[in-house]
Amino acid sequence: GENVEQHPSTLSVQEGDSAVIKCTYSDSASNYFPWYKQELGKRPQLIIDIRSNVGEKKDQRIAVTLNKTAKHFSLHITETQPEDSAVYFCAEGYNQGGKLIFGQGTELSVKP
Amino acid sequence: KAGVTQTPRYLIKTRGQQVTLSCSPISGHRSVSWYQQTPGQGLQFLFEYFSETQRNKGNFPGRFSGRQFSNSRSEMNVSTLELGDSALYLCASSSDGAGNTIYFGEGSWLTVV
Repeated sequence: GENVEQHPSTLSVQEGDSAVIKCTYSDSASNYFPWYKQELGKRPQLIIDIRSNVGEKKDQRIAVTLNKTAKHFSLHITETQPEDSAVYFCAEGYNQGGKLIFGQGTELSVKP
Repeated sequence: KAGVTQTPRYLIKTRGQQVTLSCSPISGHRSVSWYQQTPGQGLQFLFEYFSETQRNKGNFPGRFSGRQFSNSRSEMNVSTLELGDSALYLCASSSDGAGNTIYFGEGSWLTVV
């Protein structure tokens, strides 16, 4: 079946520290793994994504790693800033189409 | 390029009524998906439309329905509203080509009283 487990549900770090959020998925057919950031009252915004033929992808302070064998993928944020505070969602999807199965979300708080 | 546009942004309905929400995808995008977001259940997939046909469906009762028009615009309808239908309803669009990315609209906040 389709299910995404996301941990932790809340994460508090000091400004400048790193933050790591982990997800586990169940559908072997999934081949697209996006991460969305949602600020209070706003829409989810894509921050980075990775496809199954890639093990790691980096964009400035944000990186995502994927282990297809273990069905794990993780979001890494380095040098965190207060504006990184938000709820982060991982999801599993497919190369075509708009169907995403989301994790439960992680509320990240970056303390100045 | 304009983003995904949803209307109305906020609405209040009474239990038992029905509601229709509208979504205009990014120009050129042919796939439109709908999601329900609640504090308790998180972000849940409702259904996806592509070329006016429902291509995928989530685990929601038949009271939730949708359609897509020839210009890719989409509507979703919820009939016989229940208090538990109070949520943020998000529309998302994608080009559906290889390597497509999914973009969300600002959502429609529905309160059922």
